Amino acid sequence: QSALTQPASVSGSPGQSITISCTGTSSDVGSYNFVSWYQQHPGKAPKLMIREVTKRPSGVSNRFSGSKSGNMASLTISGLQAEDEADYYCCSYAGGTTLLFGGGTKLTVL
Amino acid sequence: EVQLVESGGGLVKPGGSLRLSCASSEFTFTNAWMSWVRQAPGKGLECVGRIQSAADGGTPDYAVPVKGRFTISRDDSKNTLYLQMNSLKTEDTAIYYCTTYASGYFGDWGQGTLVTVSS
Repeated sequence: QSALTQPASVSGSPGQSITISCTGTSSDVGSYNFVSWYQQHPGKAPKLMIREVTKRPSGVSNRFSGSKSGNMASLTISGLQAEDEADYYCCSYAGGTTLLFGGGTKLTVL
Repeated sequence: EVQLVESGGGLVKPGGSLRLSCASSEFTFTNAWMSWVRQAPGKGLECVGRIQSAADGGTPDYAVPVKGRFTISRDDSKNTLYLQMNSLKTEDTAIYYCTTYASGYFGDWGQGTLVTVSS
């Protein structure tokens, strides 16, 4: 199975909203509500931001939200802040023992 | 707060072996599924494999690139997860993260340990 497809980069100004897409297939994103999103700052470990498509773990800002339509999942960050600048990865369960990650998206806050 | 601390990384020659450990605290390790996720330099994330809790059977599973070469195990009496890596290849060079796993997501992450496979 191939990795999920994410844009290589997105950017936005402070206060704006941005959306990062994560495109899979009917065998992964389209079939299961097990999509998660991770934030990774340079030199740091990834951090879970969204699980099971829309659920925010305790302590994650409500500026982060997730959604899914068909074979595409999305992460939206509203009220963009400088500290949001990081790499973001999506992940989807794909049946059996398979978990697929996206290639990652670099978010730049202008 | 869950704390996961990996150790055991280092430089190893192609064909060599290495064992990583992940010590945990502050949570019920015994009941948790655990996983290893790796990240090659400048690249994205890849799930290496997972292991069920003992109550769920304790069975490990592996990604295709490492199947037959890597072994995931756990010692619940020591709250420790292991990754035995044999027949290492240059493409196994990566930071290896220990994580908790549940319902398709990787919850808590360690700080990672770097494995470099080079002659």
